[in-house]
Amino acid sequence: GEEVAQTPKHLVRGEGQKAKLYCAPIKGHSYVFWYQQVLKNEFKFLISFQNENVFDETGMPKERFSAKCLPNSPCSLEIQATKLEDSAVYFCASSLKGVSNQPQHFGDGTRLSIL
Amino acid sequence: TQLLEQSPQFLSIQEGENLTVYCNSSSVFSSLQWYRQEPGEGPVLLVTVVTGGEVKKLKRLTFQFGDARKDSSLHITAAQPGDTGLYLCAGAAGNTPLVFGKGTRLSVIA
Repeated sequence: GEEVAQTPKHLVRGEGQKAKLYCAPIKGHSYVFWYQQVLKNEFKFLISFQNENVFDETGMPKERFSAKCLPNSPCSLEIQATKLEDSAVYFCASSLKGVSNQPQHFGDGTRLSIL
Repeated sequence: TQLLEQSPQFLSIQEGENLTVYCNSSSVFSSLQWYRQEPGEGPVLLVTVVTGGEVKKLKRLTFQFGDARKDSSLHITAAQPGDTGLYLCAGAAGNTPLVFGKGTRLSVIA
């Protein structure tokens, strides 16, 4: 598609439950990025993919967080055993090429609320 | 660790006033991007500056990249209520992830 599509728009989970977020990048874009936005401002990089391969996962919490980008499927970000601190808006972005100098096109985010 | 310090964090001004937002770092970036984010939406790219000393204009918005490629500024002339939003700078260096500033939340009052 012409836009990055993220689903669901809102997700509410009880503490300890699993949360799974989805992202369909712009058609033809090779790179996908996941960010966590907390306190309505600060963006924290989580992970990036080049096609279905992990490109950079330096921002991913070592436990509970995992992500995949499989061929012919939306990319996904999964959080196991959610905690209150996982409440945030999770953004996905895609770009045509790698990071440097390339604009990233963002989806509208998934607001995750952990109760 | 590369950091981008963005200031001010909040800015509330009257329609017609001018303003400048700053983005500073001790690190050198190969490029710097400015985004604007509105409530409930993802950031939208405004401009990318690549060359040290580069100035780009987008209507009433002027973006400048510092000579040493460590800092950037966004100047808005005659601000309008439609300029209200969160402005984010983001630095790129090679293949490392974009480093985002903490944003400037601008409110322009009619």
